[in-house]
Amino acid sequence: GAGVSQSPRYKVAKRGQDVALRCDPISGHVSLFWYQQALGQGPEFLTYFQNEAQLDKSGLPSDRFFAERPEGSVSTLKIQRTQQEDSAVYLCASGDRGAFFGQGTRLTVV
Amino acid sequence: DAKTTQPPSMDCAEGRAANLPCNHSTISGNEYVYWYRQIHSQGPQYIIHGLKNNETNEMASLIITEDRKSSTLILPHATLRDTAVYYCIVRNTGNQFYFGTGTSLTVIP
Repeated sequence: GAGVSQSPRYKVAKRGQDVALRCDPISGHVSLFWYQQALGQGPEFLTYFQNEAQLDKSGLPSDRFFAERPEGSVSTLKIQRTQQEDSAVYLCASGDRGAFFGQGTRLTVV
Repeated sequence: DAKTTQPPSMDCAEGRAANLPCNHSTISGNEYVYWYRQIHSQGPQYIIHGLKNNETNEMASLIITEDRKSSTLILPHATLRDTAVYYCIVRNTGNQFYFGTGTSLTVIP
């Protein structure tokens, strides 16, 4: 596609439920990033992939957060046993010199 | 990581130039300065980036001081659609983009 695509656009999860957020990067982009954006704040780095290799996961807030990119294209961010503090917009970006962002997935944990 | 400092908010009259400042006094020699903007409910949009030379594209100009400790993003003729939060970012060697809280620019009719 022409841009970074994320799905779902919105997700409501009950506390304790597992969720999976999908990112389709721009075709051919080697680098892929995940960010978390709380209401009123700037995006905060979660993790970075180069092809299928996860080179930096220092921003993942807990071991309940897991990201993968098995074939070096589509990536999934999984959150296990969601908590209310996980409510945020999750942004995916791909690109090398710059990063091109998707619209994000707004996760609300109730 | 080199952090950035931006004013929290600015106003600009429609049709005038908007000059958004950013301080990045701890930037390293090989770190680029990036600018993004985010319109409400959308993902951040890339604007421009540079290392040490001034840069210009169809959206904006980036002026980086000689010591690289600060930069200014210039929107030459601001429109109402330029109302957004503007982030000045230094990209570190680990490829992280540290966004901070940005400058909320309001273009006034």
